Amino acid sequence: KNEVEQSPQNLTAQEGEFITINCSYSVGISALHWLQQHPGGGIVSLFMLSSGKKKHGRLIATINIQEKHSSLHITASHPRDSAVYICAVRKETSGSRLTFGEGTQLTVNP
Amino acid sequence: DAGVIQSPRHEVTEMGQEVTLRCKPISGHNSLFWYRQTMMRGLELLIYFNNNVPIDDSGMPEDRFSAKMPNASFSTLKIQPSEPRDSAVYFCASRRTGALRGGYTFGSGTRLTVV
Repeated sequence: KNEVEQSPQNLTAQEGEFITINCSYSVGISALHWLQQHPGGGIVSLFMLSSGKKKHGRLIATINIQEKHSSLHITASHPRDSAVYICAVRKETSGSRLTFGEGTQLTVNP
Repeated sequence: DAGVIQSPRHEVTEMGQEVTLRCKPISGHNSLFWYRQTMMRGLELLIYFNNNVPIDDSGMPEDRFSAKMPNASFSTLKIQPSEPRDSAVYFCASRRTGALRGGYTFGSGTRLTVV
């Protein structure tokens, strides 16, 4: 079993819909990261979380440390949000090393 | 800031040849990471450096892979000899340890094809 599990693996939505991507992990962590990878391949760091909630524009990320769970929400989705969203954790025991989920492929149709 | 700069963007080489990938981290970032991404295995950490010192190289697949960071502004990942199974996208990322935002900045990647 992977230490970081994401769901769903694939998600298709209509423009304007509210989107949720989930991430569960099974290890103690010092931080959780959400990354975005566009079709061209570039990777962008969206959020780093160690508790609570963060918001940036239409993106919201939450984390529940007790439940070992994080969610990434996109409000008023747009076709340009189409990308792979990757959850990654920094384990308490592994310094700066990131352990990655398998990613969620999001497609937003106009 | 130009971000993390990787070169080349694409590399096609024949099996057995030496391949060198290059990375320039963001100025002031003291941690540098080399990742490999494949369809089968997703993103994997190969090695990371703190203050130019290799900290964790447990992800380096075998002796054919080596990485150096001679100074704070440059790192190389070398594969010698290359094999078709090394075909992947190789990402370099940097981070400033202890930064409040703590985020990683990734380069655009080098797409390596070994034929």
